[in-house]
Amino acid sequence: DAKTTQPPSMDCAEGRAANLPCNHSTISGNEYVYWYRQIHSQGPQYIIHGLKNNETNEMASLIITEDRKSSTLILPHATLRDTAVYYCIVRGGNSGNTPLVFGKGTRLSVIA
Amino acid sequence: GAGVSQTPSNKVTEKGKYVELRCDPISGHTALYWYRQSLGQGPEFLIYFQGTGAADDSGLPNDRFFAVRPEGSVSTLKIQRTERGDSAVYLCASRGAGELFFGEGSRLTVL
Repeated sequence: DAKTTQPPSMDCAEGRAANLPCNHSTISGNEYVYWYRQIHSQGPQYIIHGLKNNETNEMASLIITEDRKSSTLILPHATLRDTAVYYCIVRGGNSGNTPLVFGKGTRLSVIA
Repeated sequence: GAGVSQTPSNKVTEKGKYVELRCDPISGHTALYWYRQSLGQGPEFLIYFQGTGAADDSGLPNDRFFAVRPEGSVSTLKIQRTERGDSAVYLCASRGAGELFFGEGSRLTVL
């Protein structure tokens, strides 16, 4: 699976959009981009995933560049409860149940 | 249960002792994973089960670590002769047809 690069930390004002970037320049054609987050003292939680089209669900939006070498997770109206570590993971679509490989992620602090 | 359950939530033990950590996955989930997380790091893969068998145990750090899932549901992670470096949060996750669901973890402290 391709490696990802994320900034170690970011701040965001409460109520504003949080835009979390991820670089995955070596991504291959059948690899998906996954996002998980981990709130303090809890296990990681699935947010969203995508292949090449932009995706949106009740939690967030995922914007993937046309060349697929980078993506951005958008939390449209960040709240204090969104303070967490956010992990961007690239994984093959035919990987079956093979495990996710986590990096260090981005620590997002939402500030009142 | 509704989610992945892990027990104990906290375990303090002495160096050299034996420890068991239990994971009760979401009912019907065939794949079960163990991860270990040290402070400031992302979760590190240890082992995963497909049904009763270990499909990949390449993340187990050494032969002091062992995991079982005898009936394809509950799993136990076993650590022999614990060392201070084993102190971490041990996370369990299960997967059915969709994404991974994680438990809250078991925090192990080896004194």
